[in-house]
Amino acid sequence: SAVISQKPSRDICQRGTSLTIQCQVDSQVTMMFWYRQQPGQSLTLIATANQGSEATYESGFVIDKFPISRPNLTFSTLTVSNMSPEDSSIYLCSVEYRGDYGYTFGSGTRLTVV
Amino acid sequence: QKEVEQDPGPLSVPEGAIVSLNCTYSNSAFQYFMWYRQYSRKGPELLMYTYSSGNKEDGRFTAQVDKSSKYISLFIRDSQPSDSATYLCAMSGGGNNRLAFGKGNQVVVIP
Repeated sequence: SAVISQKPSRDICQRGTSLTIQCQVDSQVTMMFWYRQQPGQSLTLIATANQGSEATYESGFVIDKFPISRPNLTFSTLTVSNMSPEDSSIYLCSVEYRGDYGYTFGSGTRLTVV
Repeated sequence: QKEVEQDPGPLSVPEGAIVSLNCTYSNSAFQYFMWYRQYSRKGPELLMYTYSSGNKEDGRFTAQVDKSSKYISLFIRDSQPSDSATYLCAMSGGGNNRLAFGKGNQVVVIP
């Protein structure tokens, strides 16, 4: 399976600022996924990022709030813009891996907005 | 109705007991069913996956899928303290790669 390095692992940010989360994969993958995990809630898909095209956002998530870059087949970033305390959550990137069906996740970014 | 229902209530069991977890779902297009294990401050890791209905066993873990009832289960035999984690069910199908997750069950195995 792929190995994902996600940075930062945690951060405390002031409201109104932005944070960019990086996701690096040790192999080339077509699609990368960004999730949000709020306390007591299911993992929720924010968007799917394909290399060379605009990210596809799920209902309730917009590009202005969560811009995504996918410059190559091993790297992606998610920015949480104009943050408010409601954005406090764990953000995870994920890739699909070949062989056994399934998805690999990064270790997550624990974001606290104050 | 949510696509995937998983009772998030914490579960404490003594070491050696059988842990039983389950999820129900509403989307009949789901064909791939997964269980993820998530340790504190870590990302989810794939534990088991099954395609369509049936059982799958891997060591102390057994996954069951009953598509007619839209019900999946995970059993952990001879539970160990190292099994203490949150277990999330996930599923997909119907022509897209989107995973639908349950809320997760926190399991604590008491030595």
